[in-house]
Amino acid sequence: EDQVTQSPEALRLQEGESSSLNCSYTVSGLRGLFWYRQDPGKGPEFLFTLYSAGEEKEKERLKATLTKKESFLHITAPKPEDSATYLCAVQRNSGGSNYKLTFGKGTLLTVNP
Amino acid sequence: NAGVTQTPKFQVLKTGQSMTLQCAQDMNHEYMSWYRQDPGMGLRLIHYSVGAGITDQGEVPNGYNVSRSTTEDFPLRLLSAAPSQTSVYFCASSGVGANEETQYFGPGTRLLVL
Repeated sequence: EDQVTQSPEALRLQEGESSSLNCSYTVSGLRGLFWYRQDPGKGPEFLFTLYSAGEEKEKERLKATLTKKESFLHITAPKPEDSATYLCAVQRNSGGSNYKLTFGKGTLLTVNP
Repeated sequence: NAGVTQTPKFQVLKTGQSMTLQCAQDMNHEYMSWYRQDPGMGLRLIHYSVGAGITDQGEVPNGYNVSRSTTEDFPLRLLSAAPSQTSVYFCASSGVGANEETQYFGPGTRLLVL
């Protein structure tokens, strides 16, 4: 069974204080690892897809990295508008037609001004 | 492009009532899916479809039905609502094939079953 564990559950930062969110996963053959941002009362918003160990992707203050067991979402000099819940999900390479995502429970990030 | 749209935004039902949650996408995506999100749990897959006329069960399908008569629409039906179905429901869609499988989510439907 695929499993995704995100840590910490909640993280409070001061504006400008860089940090990282962790996503540990167990999947039988990784097809892709996805990061989403979710604001209160909204649907998940796509951030990144990572396909293979060693891959990195960046977008503004966010950088996602991937190893064979975990992914990190690095946040550099965060601003209050980066406050949200960040979700990690994995997709198994099942060879079939099920593109199911297995999600972690998320990390609630709060950035104080 | 409107992306993925869902209606209604919020609904209150009484136990035993039925309703249909609507989902539509204008990105010509083959794959569509329904997830539910509950406090303290990750998003869980209810049903999915890889094209018109093709549907299958996900992780938590009991109490829900789906059909896919067009590429654009993927409604979720609750035949006899139960309090355990109180949740936030998200529809998602994606293409299929390498580098096209990023799933895009709708804004959600918040359902309260009394």
